[in-house]
Amino acid sequence: GQNIDQPTEMTATEGAIVQINCTYQTSGFNGLFWYQQHAGEAPTFLSYNVLDGLEEKGRFSSFLSRSKGYSYLLLKELQMKDSASYLCAVREMGNAGNMLTFGGGTRLMVKP
Amino acid sequence: EAQVTQNPRYLITVTGKKLTVTCSQNMNHEYMSWYRQDPGLGLRQIYYSMNVEVTDKGDVPEGYKVSRKEKRNFPLILESPSPNQTSLYFCASSSLPARSGNTIYFGEGSWLTVV
Repeated sequence: GQNIDQPTEMTATEGAIVQINCTYQTSGFNGLFWYQQHAGEAPTFLSYNVLDGLEEKGRFSSFLSRSKGYSYLLLKELQMKDSASYLCAVREMGNAGNMLTFGGGTRLMVKP
Repeated sequence: EAQVTQNPRYLITVTGKKLTVTCSQNMNHEYMSWYRQDPGLGLRQIYYSMNVEVTDKGDVPEGYKVSRKEKRNFPLILESPSPNQTSLYFCASSSLPARSGNTIYFGEGSWLTVV
């Protein structure tokens, strides 16, 4: 089984940088995903980490440390449209193939 | 265009009246899954399927059934819906085996209210 923790809510200012942390415990780690979800809409894929280090995609970056069971999502040059929930999800090895377990999500509010 | 399509998107039904939420994907994905999303609880997996005629329980399967008779379709069946099944439901799919290139795609969601 897995236990995934991320903060419930965060607030940041337009143009700033925000870091959303995620910690996890799993018996067979096989990758960590970050998704963005606007209220009432489907989650959309942001990033994927399976090896330690930083993955950068434009304004968004994601970091992973497998030994610490820790990841963060970094959002730069925040825009109002970045107000959304950010979901951390861990994929576990085994017969479940692509089985993902999601954290509760972090609701980010970007203020002018 | 790669799509996961769910129907209906919105439904209000009464306790005990059987309903089916359909899910279809056009990407020839082996893996399909159903999640429900509730405030404060995040996304929880109900059932998943690794391929045709192969299904298994997720974390919260009680009160639900699924079938996978064709690769593209994975319907979610509520035989006797109850109010605690009021939720937002998402269907998802991806190719196998699980590796970095195999992003999981989500449908647009189905809002279900059981009164």
